[in-house]
Amino acid sequence: QSALTQPRSVSGSPGQSVTITCTGTSSDVGGYNYVSWYQQHPGKVPKLMVYDVNKRPSGVPDRFSGSKSGNTASLSISGLQAEDEADYYCCSYAGRYTTIFGGGTKLTVL
Amino acid sequence: EVQLVESGGGLVQPGRSLRLSCAASGFTFDDYAMHWVRQAPGKGLEWVSYISWNSDTIGYADSVEGRFTISRDNAKNSLYLQMNSLRAEDMALYYCAKALFSSSYSLDYWGQGTLVTVSS
Repeated sequence: QSALTQPRSVSGSPGQSVTITCTGTSSDVGGYNYVSWYQQHPGKVPKLMVYDVNKRPSGVPDRFSGSKSGNTASLSISGLQAEDEADYYCCSYAGRYTTIFGGGTKLTVL
Repeated sequence: EVQLVESGGGLVQPGRSLRLSCAASGFTFDDYAMHWVRQAPGKGLEWVSYISWNSDTIGYADSVEGRFTISRDNAKNSLYLQMNSLRAEDMALYYCAKALFSSSYSLDYWGQGTLVTVSS
């Protein structure tokens, strides 16, 4: 079980769009449509932003969208806002009732 | 309102044991799978363990397999994590989290966490 690979950091200006990638293998990201994304502000509890690759829980703005191609999942955020600045983690089912997180990406809104 | 309240963390010596608890309220506990996730200070999230709504299926991260045991008591709306043979690398904030669906691996509610410190 190796952590999914995410860029350490991404940045964008208010109003712009950014995409965070999450690369795994055919045993996790590529093998199942069970990728989720979490937002975590400093000192706060993680918040579910996307589940099952591209579904949004109630209350999450449609500026956040998820997708997947092969072994790589992506979280796209459009119309960047200051409050989007946070750490983002991807997560995938990895078989045998296990789950694996990515290493996390720090999003900076310039 | 969904509430998850962890307890049982503290300072423990390497090689010793600790039992974490998570008290759930605000939802029908036995309708949902539950998870434990941990986060070492200044580090990322690490999934630890999963238990289905009826305890039929259980999963562990390789890093804790054979040392940690997850369990639940639906009558008490409680989730547990028995941690044995603790190591320095187990030191983290341990979160209890509710699955989005009955057997889901997406986590829609998280507790505030309980801190486990492993040190001699």
